[in-house]
Amino acid sequence: ETGVTQSPTHLIKTRGQQVTLRCSSQSGHNTVSWYQQALGQGPQFIFQYYREEENGRGNFPPRFSGLQFPNYSSELNVNALELDDSALYLCASSPPAPGQGSGELFFGEGSRLTVL
Amino acid sequence: QKEVEQNSGPLSVPEGAIASLNCTYSDRGSQSFFWYRQYSGKSPELIMSIYSNGDKEDGRFTAQLNKASQYVSLLIRDSQPSDSATYLCAVNRPQGAQKLVFGQGTRLTINP
Repeated sequence: ETGVTQSPTHLIKTRGQQVTLRCSSQSGHNTVSWYQQALGQGPQFIFQYYREEENGRGNFPPRFSGLQFPNYSSELNVNALELDDSALYLCASSPPAPGQGSGELFFGEGSRLTVL
Repeated sequence: QKEVEQNSGPLSVPEGAIASLNCTYSDRGSQSFFWYRQYSGKSPELIMSIYSNGDKEDGRFTAQLNKASQYVSLLIRDSQPSDSATYLCAVNRPQGAQKLVFGQGTRLTINP
């Protein structure tokens, strides 16, 4: 069983640029969530995708956007990068869950973004 | 008030002792509670989940939940140096499945 994979693992951008991060979900998982983890902090929820639709969003501006594809893989796009966007971006997938769901997330290794 | 609060530590525990990690949450409607372990430079790894009041044991780990006090804890028995990591408490928002709110994490160091 293949776990969650993310690419690229590290990247450096400058202010104002745009970035696209990619994620392949674990086999059988149809829900993908993205989190931002700043240094020394816990992960913060950006948004979640389920069946190619956004299914909830955290307190992030519209320049953070995403997509989910029919194979459940996903992209996170960030436009007009700011210095504070420097963080570890984590993708997590979760299996189909009844009702409210179990909430168990399985994380990829993350993409570390540095904005100069 | 943060939705999920943890002491940031660092918490130092001698090898073989019990490490006790604590977490409080603000939303009384929260239903699912998780502990993740995160090694430096790595991604979070789920180690325990708990959904009802009381204790849940898995090997050397015990999660404790008290919904009346809005309190979750993690006990690690017979602590090993390999347990040295940051432990993240996470709570599932009641209005949406699988959208976790994380605390800032507690850095645990096990001293040989």
